[in-house]
Amino acid sequence: GEDVEQSLFLSVREGDSSVINCTYTDSSSTYLYWYKQEPGAGLQLLTYIFSNMDMKQDQRLTVLLNKKDKHLSLRIADTQTGDSAIYFCAGQGSGYSTLTFGKGTMLLVSP
Amino acid sequence: NAGVTQTPKFQVLKTGQSMTLQCAQDMNHNSMYWYRQDPGMGLRLIYYSASEGTTDKGEVPNGYNVSRLNKREFSLRLESAAPSQTSVYFCASSERDRGNTEAFFGQGTRLTVV
Repeated sequence: GEDVEQSLFLSVREGDSSVINCTYTDSSSTYLYWYKQEPGAGLQLLTYIFSNMDMKQDQRLTVLLNKKDKHLSLRIADTQTGDSAIYFCAGQGSGYSTLTFGKGTMLLVSP
Repeated sequence: NAGVTQTPKFQVLKTGQSMTLQCAQDMNHNSMYWYRQDPGMGLRLIYYSASEGTTDKGEVPNGYNVSRLNKREFSLRLESAAPSQTSVYFCASSERDRGNTEAFFGQGTRLTVV
């Protein structure tokens, strides 16, 4: 099955850019997702990218996909203290399949 | 529009006790899921239900049972709770739309087994 790996922790200063990285193993993954979890809350979808795309931009968020290296990244421009949260990468294979989540990256934004 | 609602939010059980975690969604989604979240482990799928009337095991099903009561409700039962089941449990629902599966999550149930 799919295996998804992420770095566990990232610390940045307010106003800097944040880049969270993720690698996955299933080359048949059709969609890749980024979810955000704030303290004490459930996960909320931030954005997703289809496997035939290299990049997707959505306001301050940029997702880059390198399908050859099975590497996904999420860049947050002008990071704010409100962006402090855990970010999960998730992959979805072809056909009907469930999501496989990484362990999550805790982003800490300091003023 | 409530989305995905889980009850209870918090629970403390003694080893060997049983309990059912409830989940309901009001988005008319076909698919529902139960995950557990443990520190350093991310989210692991316990059981899922692709559609009303079907359930399937996920990555970590041992010690749990599920019931898809109707399209809205999907419950998770611990028959004999163990300390290893101390975790945060999340229910989610989704509907495939043009191939992608956006999952909507509940707020979680924080379970402690002593």
